[in-house]
Amino acid sequence: NAGVMQNPRHLVRRRGQEARLRCSPMKGHSHVYWYRQLPEEGLKFMVYLQKENIIDESGMPKERFSAEFPKEGPSILRIQQVVRGDSAAYFCASSPAGGPQYEQYFGPGTRLTVT
Amino acid sequence: QQQVKQSPQSLIVQKGGISIINCAYENTAFDYFPWYQQFPGKGPALLIAIRPDVSEKKEGRFTISFNKSAKQFSLHIMDSQPGDSATYFCAASIGNRDDKIIFGKGTRLHILP
Repeated sequence: NAGVMQNPRHLVRRRGQEARLRCSPMKGHSHVYWYRQLPEEGLKFMVYLQKENIIDESGMPKERFSAEFPKEGPSILRIQQVVRGDSAAYFCASSPAGGPQYEQYFGPGTRLTVT
Repeated sequence: QQQVKQSPQSLIVQKGGISIINCAYENTAFDYFPWYQQFPGKGPALLIAIRPDVSEKKEGRFTISFNKSAKQFSLHIMDSQPGDSATYFCAASIGNRDDKIIFGKGTRLHILP
């Protein structure tokens, strides 16, 4: 039973480019959460999605950031026109439908570096 | 109100000793308090969790102590081992289906061999 998968594991982008981060939840999980982790910081909630729905995006910047979780395929976190401050580790977590949302299983993360 | 404050930021413990990490919260609506363990280059993994209706929960060498009146909870690692060296995050959640988990800033634990 594969865990949460994220790709790419490392991503380098120049300022102004777009970054696309993918997350495949665990089999049977239909809830996906995205977090950002800066060095020496905890994880900051960004967005919570269910299939085809954004449930809570209160932690996501209003501009340049968007997320989706289509009916088929992985969840995507998209950052347009990246800036140096976007450099961080981005983690995806998933939880099963009908289970407590706090039982979240995390992926290995995508480390984004903006040069 | 939504913060979880964690201390210390880093901790060095001799092998066999007790590692203690403390957390405090303000929001009395929080009703679930998990701890996560993260190794370098990996995602966080749920270690142990507690609800405020109990004052202590033990799983192997890991114990959570919870003080509801003080709004504090702590993680104790007994007989600490070098393999326990990792970053530990406390967290809090209201447990409602659509509510988020709030994480502390983490404690980097190093166990000396």
